[in-house]
Amino acid sequence: NAGVMQNPRHLVRRRGQEARLRCSPMKGHSHVYWYRQLPEEGLKFMVYLQKENIIDESGMPKERFSAEFPKEGPSILRIQQVVRGDSAAYFCASNKGNYGYTFGSGTRLTVV
Amino acid sequence: DQQVKQNSPSLSVQEGRISILNCDYTNSMFDYFLWYKKYPAEGPTFLISISSIKDKNEDGRFTVFLNKSAKHLSLHIVPSQPGDSAVYFCAASYSGGSNYKLTFGKGTLLTVNP
Repeated sequence: NAGVMQNPRHLVRRRGQEARLRCSPMKGHSHVYWYRQLPEEGLKFMVYLQKENIIDESGMPKERFSAEFPKEGPSILRIQQVVRGDSAAYFCASNKGNYGYTFGSGTRLTVV
Repeated sequence: DQQVKQNSPSLSVQEGRISILNCDYTNSMFDYFLWYKKYPAEGPTFLISISSIKDKNEDGRFTVFLNKSAKHLSLHIVPSQPGDSAVYFCAASYSGGSNYKLTFGKGTLLTVNP
C-alpha cells in the first residue's frame, strides 16, 4: 500500500548537467502533478499529467523543463542544462482526478 | 502576483491553547480551499478543506472558517499539541476547471511549546 514514491530523495548536479526526477503515483491513481518549492516559498504548480498526456503545463518554465507520464513506468520531470536557480524541492502528487492529493516526500535538487 | 497570502511566517503557542493560522486570497474565482501540514523533509499532508458554499468545516481538533466577502480563511487548532508543530500551507483552487491544480501560500511555521 505504498504512497507516492519519488526518487532520488536528494540529487546534486553541476551547472549544465541534466536532472531527472522520478515519480511513481499511488496505486490506482492516474493523475500526476509536479510542484516546485523554492527556498522560503510555497509550492508552485508546474505541470499536470495523465497517462501519456500533458493536461496543463502552464507552470512549467518555457525552456529546459519537460515532463512525461508514459503508459508504463513512472512520471519523469526532466531539467536540462541546470542552473543554480533550479535548486529547489520538487514534489510530485497523484490523485484519481479530484482534490484527494497524495504528495510524495520530494526530491531535493542542489545545483553546484 | 501572490494570489494566496499567509502573512505570518511563524506562530508560537503554548500546549493546550488555541492556534489560529490565517490566509488571505485575491482571486475571486477560487472556490475551494485546503490546508496542508508539512514536516521537514516530508511532503505536505492534507488536513482539512472547505468549499465556498460553506463558512465553516470541522474535523476533530481542526476547524476552518471561510469569510468570502473578506477573502479570508483561518485554521483553528484546539487544543494545540506539540506534535502539531509543523509548517502549515493554505491552498486554493477553482473547481470550475478540471485540473484540480492548487495555488499555495508561503506557509506559516507553527511551534507548540510544551
